[in-house]
Amino acid sequence: LAKTTQPISMDSYEGQEVNITCSHNNIATNDYITWYQQFPSQGPRFIIQGYKTKVTNEVASLFIPADRKSSTLSLPRVSLSDTAVYYCLVVGREAKLIFGTGTRLQVFP
Amino acid sequence: NAGVMQNPRHLVRRRGQEARLRCSPMKGHSHVYWYRQLPEEGLKFMVYLQKENIIDESGMPKERFSAEFPKEGPSILRIQQVVRGDSAAYFCASSPQNSGTGAYNEQFFGPGTRLTVL
Repeated sequence: LAKTTQPISMDSYEGQEVNITCSHNNIATNDYITWYQQFPSQGPRFIIQGYKTKVTNEVASLFIPADRKSSTLSLPRVSLSDTAVYYCLVVGREAKLIFGTGTRLQVFP
Repeated sequence: NAGVMQNPRHLVRRRGQEARLRCSPMKGHSHVYWYRQLPEEGLKFMVYLQKENIIDESGMPKERFSAEFPKEGPSILRIQQVVRGDSAAYFCASSPQNSGTGAYNEQFFGPGTRLTVL
């Protein structure tokens, strides 16, 4: 499975846009890029998934360049409740998910 | 539609005792996954099961750990003769199916069981 690299932590203020970039240089043709969010003392929650270009849902946008070696999760106008750990995963044919240490996002008032 | 249920939420055991963690997947889901999370770390895959079958147990320690997903009832993760190093949060996830084509089926996670070994 491709290894992902993402910043350990990020700080932001309410109302700002937050972009978290993830590197996955060894991504395979059949792999998808998936992001999960985890609040303290809770299980992870699926945010968004994409294969290439741009994907948007009610929570976030995911930008994937043509070479697919990186991706950027964009959270528009964050609020205090967006404080969490965000995991970037590359998912292929195997069912299991490989989590890294994630990016700890702290949103300040 | 209830989410993934795990019980107990908190479990305290003394060294040498057995721990049994239960997971009821979402309705209609036939795939169950177990993960372990140590403090300040990401989740580590342990085992993937379908009804009555273990599909992938590559993340399970070779000794003391076992998992099952019977035809009826919840999935059980069993840890025998617990040691302090087993203290962690154990998460269960479920999905409706694994397409096997590379398209990903979202995994829905439960709230976890926090195991403390004294």
